Amino acid sequence: HSALTQPRSVSGSPGQSVTISCTGTSSDVGGYNYVSWYQQHPGKAPKLIFYDVSKRPSGVPDRFSGSKSGNTASLTISGLQAEDEADYYCCSYAVNYNVLFGGGTELTVL
Amino acid sequence: QVQLVQSGAEVKKPGASVRVSCKASGYAFTAYYMHWVRQAPGQGLEWMGCTNPNSGGTNYAQKFQGRVTMTGDTSIRTAYMELTSLTSDDTAVYYCARSVAVGGPNDYWGQGTPVTVSS
Repeated sequence: HSALTQPRSVSGSPGQSVTISCTGTSSDVGGYNYVSWYQQHPGKAPKLIFYDVSKRPSGVPDRFSGSKSGNTASLTISGLQAEDEADYYCCSYAVNYNVLFGGGTELTVL
Repeated sequence: QVQLVQSGAEVKKPGASVRVSCKASGYAFTAYYMHWVRQAPGQGLEWMGCTNPNSGGTNYAQKFQGRVTMTGDTSIRTAYMELTSLTSDDTAVYYCARSVAVGGPNDYWGQGTPVTVSS
């Protein structure tokens, strides 16, 4: 199983919106609605920010939204803030009781 | 409140084994799977596998089959991950994280355990 494909980096100015894509196959992202997203600040453990494609845990701002189309899931962050600068990872359940992570995307707030 | 507290940093020589522990509190230990995820320096997250503390069942990533063992001791609410035949490529921070199912989201994570493999 290969890792899910994410852009290495994205950037945006405060107040702008950015979208991070996560591309897999029909055996993972496309086959199940078990896609989650994690935010990781340097030196910290990952933090769950989305699950089941579009569900947001309590405490996560509604500036964050998740979606999926075919084999690609997306995380959109609107109204960018300085504290959003972090690494973002997608994750999907895959066939035969496997779990795959994306390679990670570094978000820079300009 | 839910907490996952991992054991401390380890330094191992190539060929050795390492066992990392993850003590859970604040929730029903047997109601959640425990996953193990590692992160090499400057690299992304890598899923290693998970265990069901209630049944003892395990699911391992193919890459680690035969080299990893994940267990749980329900009496002390602690999960363990043992990795054998270590090489420098195993140098990483190892995290435990709980979920309601194999494909479920990891809503709580441990603080991470750095493992360094060096001669």
